[in-house]
Amino acid sequence: KQEVTQIPAALSVPEGENLVLNCSFTDSAIYNLQWFRQDPGKGLTSLLLIQSSQREQTSGRLNASLDKSSGRSTLYIAASQPGDSATYLCAVYWPDFGNEKLTFGTGTRLTIIP
Amino acid sequence: EAGVAQSPRYKIIEKRQSVAFWCNPISGHATLYWYQQILGQGPKLLIQFQNNGVVDDSQLPKDRFSAERLKGVDSTLKIQPAKLEDSAVYLCASSGGLAGVEQFFGPGTRLTVL
Repeated sequence: KQEVTQIPAALSVPEGENLVLNCSFTDSAIYNLQWFRQDPGKGLTSLLLIQSSQREQTSGRLNASLDKSSGRSTLYIAASQPGDSATYLCAVYWPDFGNEKLTFGTGTRLTIIP
Repeated sequence: EAGVAQSPRYKIIEKRQSVAFWCNPISGHATLYWYQQILGQGPKLLIQFQNNGVVDDSQLPKDRFSAERLKGVDSTLKIQPAKLEDSAVYLCASSGGLAGVEQFFGPGTRLTVL
């Protein structure tokens, strides 16, 4: 069974700083890993999807890396802005007896202090 | 391309009442998922459909929850009777159904049970 952990559960940083969010998973046999953003009371916004054959993906100020062998991924946010305040969820796609499952972490709640 | 549609966006009911949620997936997507997200947690899979057949409903509380996808397109999720602990965001997602293919999420329905 795949388990996904995100540490820390909450993080506050001053505006303008660079920051890193961490995600770890227990089984390295994954298809993809995806980072989502969730604003309070809202649905999920996909940020980046990394395929298992890739090491990283970039979109604007966001960079996500994947190290399958160690079961880790990081989301790097450059030059943080107050609008980046949200909960960030990591999720892994993994095989389960011929089916594909998507397992989420519990998220990191990020607050950017103006 | 239209995304995954869900309705209603918000619902408030009293315990022991019944409620139904509706999802319309992305056109052509064979696989449809319902997730439950309790406050402070990551989404957890309730049920997965492939066309109009159930692939996985192992986490669905079948004594009170039911779901159907009669024509292999739209889906409804019903709770009857609702309990306080059913308060959550219910997310619908769809995918092309192939292994490693991204799931696309709808905006969710926020259910409050009083």
